[in-house]
Amino acid sequence: EPEVTQTPSHQVTQMGQEVILRCVPISNHLYFYWYRQILGQKVEFLVSFYNNEISEKSEIFDDQFSVERPDGSNFTLKIRSTKLEDSAMYFCASRRDRSRGTQYFGPGTRLTVL
Amino acid sequence: AQTVTQSQPEMSVQEAETVTLSCTYDTSESDYYLFWYKQPPSRQMILVIRQEAYKQQNATENRFSVNFQKAAKSFSLKISDSQLGDAAMYFCAYRRNAGGTSYGKLTFGQGTILTVHP
Repeated sequence: EPEVTQTPSHQVTQMGQEVILRCVPISNHLYFYWYRQILGQKVEFLVSFYNNEISEKSEIFDDQFSVERPDGSNFTLKIRSTKLEDSAMYFCASRRDRSRGTQYFGPGTRLTVL
Repeated sequence: AQTVTQSQPEMSVQEAETVTLSCTYDTSESDYYLFWYKQPPSRQMILVIRQEAYKQQNATENRFSVNFQKAAKSFSLKISDSQLGDAAMYFCAYRRNAGGTSYGKLTFGQGTILTVHP
C-alpha cells in the first residue's frame, strides 16, 4: 500500500541553523500539507500546497518557513534560522482529491533545536 | 474559525471492555468531515475512522464506531472489545469540505490519552 515517507526521522540542530525536512507524498496525490506538534500538545496546521504554490498557511508559518516541491516527488519544509521553540514533530500529509478524500500522514520528523 | 474540543485529557479501559471518547466542534459550515486519528508512542498519525457530515448514518470500522450528532456538534468514538494495542493518544479532527478558498486543512482537538489495562 502506498504511503507517505519522511526523512530524516530525527534531526538535531543548533539554534540559528537552517534545516530542511523532506517528504515524499503518495504518488498520485495533488494536495500536500505540513503540520507541527510540539511535545504534549495538539497537532497544528502549518501550510498547504497545491499546483506548485502555497494555497493556505497559518500564523505559525512566518517568513522563516518555506516549502518547495523541487522535482515532482519530494516536498520539503525549510526553516531558515531555527529557534528553540521550533523543536517539535513535523508531519507531512497528502491527499488526492480536493473536495473528498482523506489526508494520509507520514511518520513525522522529530526536530530538536539546541 | 472552527474549533475542536476534546474534554477528556485521559481515559482508561479494561481489555475487552468498551470505551467512548468525546469530541465536540464548532463550525458554521454545513458540509464537512470529521476524523479520529490514533497516535501511538511512535507518534505516527493513523486514521481510525471518518464521517461525512452529509451522511446521517454513523461510520463504523470493525471495533470502532462513531456517534455523530450534527445538531449538537458532537462526534464521539466508541471502541469495543478494547485491545492492548489500542493504547494511544486519540485526536479528533475537523475538515471543511474543500471548495472555494479552502484547501482542506485539518483542525485538531487537544487529544485524549487512552490507557488499556490487561
